[in-house]
Amino acid sequence: DIQMTQSPSSLSASVGDRVTITCRASQGINNYLAWFQQRPGKAPKSLIYLASNLQSGVPSKFSGSGSGTDFTLTISSLQPEDFATYYCQQYASFPLTFGGGTKVEIK
Amino acid sequence: EVQLVESGGGLVQPGGSLRLSCAASGFAVSSNYMSWVRQAPGRGLEWVSIIYRGGSTYYPDSARDRFIISRDNSKNTVFLEMNSLRAEDTAVYYCVGGSGSYFDYWGQGTLVTVSS
Repeated sequence: DIQMTQSPSSLSASVGDRVTITCRASQGINNYLAWFQQRPGKAPKSLIYLASNLQSGVPSKFSGSGSGTDFTLTISSLQPEDFATYYCQQYASFPLTFGGGTKVEIK
Repeated sequence: EVQLVESGGGLVQPGGSLRLSCAASGFAVSSNYMSWVRQAPGRGLEWVSIIYRGGSTYYPDSARDRFIISRDNSKNTVFLEMNSLRAEDTAVYYCVGGSGSYFDYWGQGTLVTVSS
């Protein structure tokens, strides 16, 4: 199974900050990586697929990069609605696996 | 607008069975990938099953031989039949659909509690 490791597991940031979350795969996954946002008490929402492609309707302040084993999600200017937990997920091979999540909290 | 609406969750005893349903609108289950993903209380996300456009199904070890994903194209609905349920199956179960990526659209989830 491919293990997905996210770092950090949590972070505190202020409104307007630039935030970067990293995700590492235990083996190469090409660019078969997605990112999701989950606000408290809500269902996850797809942000990015194929490592860097923004889902329709997702604001351009979100961006993704990487290929192979190392990936990043960047939020260019944090807003109150961005405080949430973010998950990466690989879909290069079965079983499909998620990272443990990164909780972004208000400083 | 794509909507996925789950139903069928509830309280079930260990060893029991439950069938979840996911009614789709604005999205054809027959021509897209359909999955179930679960989230135990306070925990992360875990993929449970997927059915491909052609009907092939795949499961992780934790669900294989106990869970069955299926669909009714005429009702545009996906199902998850869960058998031999254990306490560790307690979670919110999300119905998820995708075209390019597997997990583009998510339902609101339905809670399954396995307890005596």
